Amino acid sequence: GAVVSQHPSRVICKSGTSVKIECRSLDFQATTMFWYRQFPKQSLMLMATSNEGSKATYEQGVEKDKFLINHASLTLSTLTVTSAHPEDSSFYICSARDWGWVPDTQYFGPGTRLTVL
Amino acid sequence: GDSVTQMEGPVTLSEEAFLTINCTYTATGYPSLFWYVQYPGEGLQLLLKATKADDKGSNKGFEATYRKETTSFHLEKGSVQVSDSAVYFCALSDRGGGTSYGKLTFGQGTILTVHP
Repeated sequence: GAVVSQHPSRVICKSGTSVKIECRSLDFQATTMFWYRQFPKQSLMLMATSNEGSKATYEQGVEKDKFLINHASLTLSTLTVTSAHPEDSSFYICSARDWGWVPDTQYFGPGTRLTVL
Repeated sequence: GDSVTQMEGPVTLSEEAFLTINCTYTATGYPSLFWYVQYPGEGLQLLLKATKADDKGSNKGFEATYRKETTSFHLEKGSVQVSDSAVYFCALSDRGGGTSYGKLTFGQGTILTVHP
């Protein structure tokens, strides 16, 4: 149980285009999902907290207009990187919190490698 | 704010050696503590957790004890295997009220390489 998927696993795009990344909880409902960014050989940086049916809460320094988050259902959150630039190239990871399985624990997706040319 | 400090790596061991990865934390409340593992090319997996002082989390031969007096959650394994090679992250979850509830704060990660 407690499986989180992400799609796509890898994406390469041209500078100026937008890219959408999906995060799904496969066998549980997740009222809260989190989006992280991980740079090579570094830790995870929390970008935003996504709550089902309400606006996402962004961490300080994260541009909400550039990283659009939508949490339209209890099993799906999406992150859209708008007008992507090479500096947005990174590993994006989502996680979901399942209160019904093991409370207070986040389960992570496998990540999406974004490369902007 | 909350913070987690892990011992710097990388750590290189021979198979069957004893492993310790130190982790200390700073938190204003009473956090839950976690160890996550990231294998090459994969996402993070929960390795073990502890939710209150003196709790011991254990899984796959790994152990960590929540030490409130020393604000530590050191990861240990008595005999490592090549398959344990991965990046290990210590993390805490804020259980206080408000918008910070449930947010994970990660340490910088420790790369472990185990040689045959």
